Amino acid sequence: QVQLVQSGSELEKPGASVKVSCRASGYTFTGPSINWVRQAPGQGLEWMGFINTKSGKPTYAQDLIGRFVFSLDTSVSTAYLQISSLEAEDTAVYYCAKDRAYFAFDIWGQGTLVTVSS
Amino acid sequence: QSALTQPPSASGSPGQSVTISCTGTNSDVGGYKYVSWFQQQPGKAPKLMIYEVSKRPSGVPDRFSGSTSGNTASLTVSGLQADDEGTYYCSSYGGTNKGAFGGGTKLTVL
Repeated sequence: QVQLVQSGSELEKPGASVKVSCRASGYTFTGPSINWVRQAPGQGLEWMGFINTKSGKPTYAQDLIGRFVFSLDTSVSTAYLQISSLEAEDTAVYYCAKDRAYFAFDIWGQGTLVTVSS
Repeated sequence: QSALTQPPSASGSPGQSVTISCTGTNSDVGGYKYVSWFQQQPGKAPKLMIYEVSKRPSGVPDRFSGSTSGNTASLTVSGLQADDEGTYYCSSYGGTNKGAFGGGTKLTVL
């Protein structure tokens, strides 16, 4: 079946980096974009941006600071989110989601909890 | 502050109908027919319930319906069931490379 499977929870110290993976299966990976959404504890959903799976071009939400990088490895149908210089405020669940078109995220990963704490 | 405005809570008794609003601008909700609605239950990933204003993905009951009027989109859940509880988020396409979610509405079935 069509699914996105994300990597497991991460516990990192402030200033460190983390890389979250999102492996797709059950459909042609190089087609629909992969979006990234974060959810801080007890808060709502925040769209972070997306990566075009055909060209590999990332697009970031306007208010996202330049510590976030989206990338792909099409050979293993996997998208990645890397966050550098982690801050406590980055503590959140990060989701990847497949976009069927125009913000209709029809398949979601199970989420990856990133905790930043000293 | 979210780009789209939703009421923080809504409620209804089993069998009743409830409508959740989502207000944007003519640069998103009012400008495009690309509003989606997601249901999120505690500890789970969001689930797509409505896309392109009023279309339902396969497997979503027809008790869920969507519409728009001007800059406001609405999600109506009819025949409320206990399993409908959760937080509902709207989203809208906002032009090239732009998008946003609403702040979420917690639906309680009384």
